[in-house]
Amino acid sequence: DAGVIQSPRHEVTEMGQEVTLRCKPISGHDYLFWYRQTMMRGLELLIYFNNNVPIDDSGMPEDRFSAKMPNASFSTLKIQPSEPRDSAVYFCASSLAKKGGQYFGPGTRLLVL
Amino acid sequence: SQQGEEDPQALSIQEGENATMNCSYKTSINNLQWYRQNSGRGLVHLILIRSNEREKHSGRLRVTLDTSKKSSSLLITASRAADTASYFCATDARQKVTFGTGTKLQVIP
Repeated sequence: DAGVIQSPRHEVTEMGQEVTLRCKPISGHDYLFWYRQTMMRGLELLIYFNNNVPIDDSGMPEDRFSAKMPNASFSTLKIQPSEPRDSAVYFCASSLAKKGGQYFGPGTRLLVL
Repeated sequence: SQQGEEDPQALSIQEGENATMNCSYKTSINNLQWYRQNSGRGLVHLILIRSNEREKHSGRLRVTLDTSKKSSSLLITASRAADTASYFCATDARQKVTFGTGTKLQVIP
């Protein structure tokens, strides 16, 4: 099992540019989560999906952030336009509801200049 | 605000000693989970304890849960240098998991 796969691992972009983060969850998992981690705010849940359907997006900071899950094996988190304060590590995680426990990807380290 | 708050924020011990971390939370939960995060890596799920359980063991890990006090503790026995990491508790309420602020553990060889 390859685990949760995220790409890119690192992203450096300029303010105003569009950023797209990608995630492939563990096969068979029916929940997918997007988190953001910063020193100041810790680990924040942005949005989560169940069976490809967004369930709770109350953590999405602004309209500049959007997330999609077109199928069970792929999800994207898009920031448009990006701002320096979006700089953080973004994690994707998946879980199998009945067993609990989330499996995290390695994260995408985003730096917006 | 964070559902889970870990205590202490940082802990430094000698290899071989036991490490105890505490987590307090505010609302009713289905279960509570503990995760480890090594520097620059993703979180790793360690153990899950359900709201009707009081204690659970996994290798050198022992977790307790007191729902009346809304608190949990994670004990790592016979610590090793490789246990150096940040440890987070996470409360699960209706599948929405909220992470605490973490305890940074340093195990000195």
